Amino acid sequence: GAVVSQHPSRVICKSGTSVKIECRSLDFQATTMFWYRQFPKQSLMLMATSNEGSKATYEQGVEKDKFLINHASLTLSTLTVTSAHPEDSSFYICSASQYGGADTQYFGPGTRLTVL
Amino acid sequence: QKEVEQNSGPLSVPEGAIASLNCTYSDRGSQSFFWYRQYSGKSPELIMFIYSNGDKEDGRFTAQLNKASQYVSLLIRDSQPSDSATYLCACPGGGGNKLTFGTGTQLKVEL
Repeated sequence: GAVVSQHPSRVICKSGTSVKIECRSLDFQATTMFWYRQFPKQSLMLMATSNEGSKATYEQGVEKDKFLINHASLTLSTLTVTSAHPEDSSFYICSASQYGGADTQYFGPGTRLTVL
Repeated sequence: QKEVEQNSGPLSVPEGAIASLNCTYSDRGSQSFFWYRQYSGKSPELIMFIYSNGDKEDGRFTAQLNKASQYVSLLIRDSQPSDSATYLCACPGGGGNKLTFGTGTQLKVEL
């Protein structure tokens, strides 16, 4: 149980394009989903917290207009990196929590984004 | 003071030994604690969680929680090379609506 999928697993795009990443909880309903970014050899960095049907809460320093998050259902959240630039190249990981808050988070396998 | 602190390592242990990974946290109100394992290039996976003071065992893994000392640890018995990874400690933070992760301890199990 507690399986979270992400799609795509890897994406290469040109600078200036937008990229959408999907995160799905496959066997449970996720009240809250989280989006993280991780640069090589660095720790996880929380970007935003997303509750179903609500606007996402972004961490300080994360541009909400650049990283669009939609959490339309209890099993799906999407992250769109708009007008991607090479500095946005990173490992993007989502996690899902059934009850939200400080409940257990189950991570998706991650999406490796490379912006040329 | 960081909310969750871990020694970054690397912690090297020989195969078959006990690996001890430690984590301290600053929020005395934290009630739940999580250990995740992250292999290089992969996303974190949950190993176990602990809510109560004392020990919790799951196979070769034992989590230990001491709320008075604000300390949580993970013991890995009979360490295997496949245990080589970064281990992340997490507990509620930021107002309780999310988990705060430590920076992780890199474990290397050597043959």
